[in-house]
Amino acid sequence: DSGVTQTPKHLITATGQRVTLRCSPRSGDLSVYWYQQSLDQGLQFLIQYYNGEERAKGNILERFSAQQFPDLHSELNLSSLELGDSALYFCASSATGGTGDTQYFGPGTRLTVL
Amino acid sequence: AQSVTQLGSHVSVSEGALVLLRCNYSSSVPPYLFWYVQYPNQGLQLLLKYTSAATLVKGINGFEAEFKKSETSFHLTKPSAHMSDAAEYFCAVSTGGGATNKLIFGTGTLLAVQP
Repeated sequence: DSGVTQTPKHLITATGQRVTLRCSPRSGDLSVYWYQQSLDQGLQFLIQYYNGEERAKGNILERFSAQQFPDLHSELNLSSLELGDSALYFCASSATGGTGDTQYFGPGTRLTVL
Repeated sequence: AQSVTQLGSHVSVSEGALVLLRCNYSSSVPPYLFWYVQYPNQGLQLLLKYTSAATLVKGINGFEAEFKKSETSFHLTKPSAHMSDAAEYFCAVSTGGGATNKLIFGTGTLLAVQP
């Protein structure tokens, strides 16, 4: 158990819908990350937050947004869902967020868009 | 730009045999390198991390990796495979510089262990 929690574990929804994925970091960690894992794209970095502020952005679609709240939990919002958004979404956390800081991953949320 | 390449998407070994999973990196600065393992239907678990303190890095479950700058490699090894080692293994490099920490992953190597 990494100490990172993600809810829900599974999510099934329809095209065009909006969903919210939630992540609670390890106790004491200030930085949160989101990754997408799919068969065709592999593991892709989406976005990093540190203490409520966005630190880095990867290949995150404009239909996707995220935030980190004062209690340090984070949410990833996915809207206007398409079939191709079906994937495993991981949250990770680390202590400082600096380069090389070890990231600990949650169990993931499996999103299926029908 | 920093990147990692994993050679061999599938590796099969017999139980008790040596495990060797290959990873080559590309980086213009001293890299931070990681190996993670993903068991079926689970998240990523950290196996080990290279931080330049030592070229031979020991990790969990008997795995180790050796950083070779001349070969730009960070291969993962285990002397004797167990059935429980069957999983997917990912090499990753941390990029961004300073206050950012984006992990770039390789495409993964699926390890099968035959009895």
